[in-house]
Order: sequence, then C-alpha cells, then structure tokens
Amino acid sequence: AQSVTQLGSHVSVSEGALVLLRCNYSSSVPPYLFWYVQYPNQGLQLLLKYTSAATLVKGINGFEAEFKKSETSFHLTKPSAHMSDAAEYFCAVRGYNQGGKLIFGQGTELSVKP
Amino acid sequence: GAVVSQHPSRVICKSGTSVKIECRSLDFQATTMFWYRQFPKQSLMLMATSNEGSKATYEQGVEKDKFLINHASLTLSTLTVTSAHPEDSSFYICSARDVRERDGYTFGSGTRLTVV
Repeated sequence: AQSVTQLGSHVSVSEGALVLLRCNYSSSVPPYLFWYVQYPNQGLQLLLKYTSAATLVKGINGFEAEFKKSETSFHLTKPSAHMSDAAEYFCAVRGYNQGGKLIFGQGTELSVKP
Repeated sequence: GAVVSQHPSRVICKSGTSVKIECRSLDFQATTMFWYRQFPKQSLMLMATSNEGSKATYEQGVEKDKFLINHASLTLSTLTVTSAHPEDSSFYICSARDVRERDGYTFGSGTRLTVV
C-alpha cells in the first residue's frame, strides 16, 4: 500500500527565506505524487504533481519539488517565502488499485515571519 | 481550469436533523467523486469514493447509512449527513476526478458543518 509521511507538522521561516517542506513516500509501484496547499476554511489547491515525467517539477506560486527515487522523497521548496505562503501544505500519493484515491500526509503548517 | 462548486460553505443544524452537501463540477465531467472529512489541524480522511451511476464505496469505519452519497450524474454528487449529532461537526470536502485527465483532482471549497 502507498503512504506518505510529512516530516514536521509545523515549519516557520522568515519572509524571503528558503521554504523546505519534507515528504517521503512509500510505494511498491512508481508513485504519482502531489503537493496541495490549503488556506483556512478552504479546499485544496494543487501546487504541483509528479507523474513519472521530469523529476524536477515546477508548480504555481514559485514552488517546485524534486522526485528522488533513491531517497523516496518529494520535498517541496520555494527560494523566497512570502507572507501569503502561510498555509497548510499536504503531500499526497495516488493509491494504486484503490480507485485512484489520494492518500494524504499529515500536513505541514507553514508560518512566515515578517 | 476545472472548478468544483461545493455548497453550502457553512451550515449549522440541530441535532437529529439531516444536512445535504452538494458538489458540482462546473466545466468538466467527474466520473469519480471523493468525499473527505477533516478535523481541525488534521489531515483529510477519505470517507467514500463514488462513481457516477454506482453505489459509493465507503472506507472502513464510515457508516454508509449515516453518510449517504449520491452520484446520479457526471456533474453532481451529494453527501447527506443523516440524523446529525455534535460529533459529526467537521469540515467536509469533495474532490472530483476529471474523466479527461487521469491524474486531475479538483477540490471543492469545503463545507463547515456545526451540529448543535
């Protein structure tokens, strides 16, 4: 079965600093991986996804993630944090033979200090 | 891009009553709809998966008679919380899978249910 683990339930950075949100996956088949952002009382917005094409995936709002099979990781990064990046971030893997459902990590709350 | 309209965004109901939540895919056909529940400061917990015209598949531990899911058309799915109790208070989110894009999942904006 597939799963994802997000290291760190809360990450705090200063405005302008590098953002690094960690996600490790477990999958017996090549995974399809996703990063979503959620603002308070809202649904999820797709930041980017990896579907076995290029290992470095660029997403919206300056975010990118690199798929590293050797490390079973799919960490999310952004070179320079903005105040508007403060939100909850979820890593997800598509379940294999499970009706295509997404399996989510526990989430990481990103705080951005002025 | 793809949009899923979820209504209502917020609802307060009395204990024992039923509440219906709707999700509509506005510009695409959703063969599959996923319904999630999210507690404060927690991740999304999948409740059920529904395919148009078929009975929903519920996750283990989710009461299918309490959480009724209907997916009668390719653009509309509903979740009805029957005989709601305070412990059903939560944030409910739907996600539609676009038939044209195998890995496209579009989320609704969520419904905050408070049972008093």
